[in-house]
Amino acid sequence: GNSVTQMEGPVTLSEEAFLTINCTYTATGYPSLFWYVQYPGEGLQLLLKATKADDKGSNKGFEATYRKETTSFHLEKGSVQVSDSAVYFCALSPTGGFKTIFGAGTRLFVKA
Amino acid sequence: DVKVTQSSRYLVKRTGEKVFLECVQDMDHENMFWYRQDPGLGLRLIYFSYDVKMKEKGDIPEGYSVSREKKERFSLILESASTNQTSMYLCASSPRTGRGTTDTQYFGPGTRLTVL
Repeated sequence: GNSVTQMEGPVTLSEEAFLTINCTYTATGYPSLFWYVQYPGEGLQLLLKATKADDKGSNKGFEATYRKETTSFHLEKGSVQVSDSAVYFCALSPTGGFKTIFGAGTRLFVKA
Repeated sequence: DVKVTQSSRYLVKRTGEKVFLECVQDMDHENMFWYRQDPGLGLRLIYFSYDVKMKEKGDIPEGYSVSREKKERFSLILESASTNQTSMYLCASSPRTGRGTTDTQYFGPGTRLTVL
């Protein structure tokens, strides 16, 4: 079946450090892949997405590349800020389905 | 901007009460979803709807029902609230895509429900 596995948190970094949050998936066909972010006290919001292999999604300095050969969609940012402290969810939307499958979420703390 | 609103941010109910959670979206989206979010378990889909009056069970529908009488409104009903339904409830909507996948989901701010 379809599934998403992302690295467990929490991840604690100092400001301006490099961030990687790993995400791998299992799916048939050609799913769309997403990263959502949830700031404290809010609902989830889309951070970036990619709809086909080798696509790179980017937003607010974050990037992720759809790698079909390794079934991965790792999230990266070159220099994190305190304001990036949040929970990050990797997700996939399988071909021909209404459901989106979410990972368990990774909490990021950024210290000043 | 797409806006998804939920009727309450915080709600406290007693065991056995009937609870209604309302969700409204203003972007004419076909698909709407109800999730619950619990620490360590991520988001779990309760029910979704792909059209007015249409509904499908998600992964954890037991103890819940839904209603979609109008396109913009999707209600979650707890027929008889229990303490294990204490959780954060998130509503979302998304447009239908031509690829047959669900596109970006737009979430409301959530309702934190406590059942005593």
